Amino acid sequence: DVKVTQSSRYLVKRTGEKVFLECVQDMDHENMFWYRQDPGLGLRLIYFSYDVKMKEKGDIPEGYSVSREKKERFSLILESASTNQTSMYLCASSPPGQLAKNIQYFGAGTRLSVL
Amino acid sequence: AQTVTQSQPEMSVQEAETVTLSCTYDTSESNYYLFWYKQPPSRQMILVIRQEAYKQQNATENRFSVNFQKAAKSFSLKISDSQLGDTAMYFCAFMKHRGGNEKLTFGTGTRLTIIP
Repeated sequence: DVKVTQSSRYLVKRTGEKVFLECVQDMDHENMFWYRQDPGLGLRLIYFSYDVKMKEKGDIPEGYSVSREKKERFSLILESASTNQTSMYLCASSPPGQLAKNIQYFGAGTRLSVL
Repeated sequence: AQTVTQSQPEMSVQEAETVTLSCTYDTSESNYYLFWYKQPPSRQMILVIRQEAYKQQNATENRFSVNFQKAAKSFSLKISDSQLGDTAMYFCAFMKHRGGNEKLTFGTGTRLTIIP
């Protein structure tokens, strides 16, 4: 089974802190994604990566950055956390190509509270 | 840009009944994929069912089936013989057909509660 692991289920941080959210997948997937989930808004894509050291902005990249130094790990960084970044953050991964049926596999999520 | 609309924020049905969740989308693409994902309470999001737009036949997975109406840009999910374990948030999602590396665009979700 594909396993996507997010390092923390719950995280509480102070305004202005630098925050790292870590995601690791064990299936050698090329593609990795960071989403933000808010009630009434669904999931919105923050950043995604198709390969090591490669990143592309999603729909809401402002206030976030990412790092992908190794294929299995994709980190989301909040350079200076703000209260409006309080949310559930979901990581996902997928293999490329038609054979993979374009299915994304999700982690359990990190619920971040910024006080 | 693509948009996905789920007009039912919450639904509830009795166990063993059939329920249909609605989803509409807007796109200028002719070929694409549509998905229903399920997020149980405090658990990981998982794929329920997937439809390729160029296939006219509606996808089915056991008790889950879709009604895909391409001209109407509608993609509803039918759950037959609903079970308590079907209680979850359900998200409809869209993906363009380009090499398998495209991003998903999600709807706002429908919270489904199965009542014992």
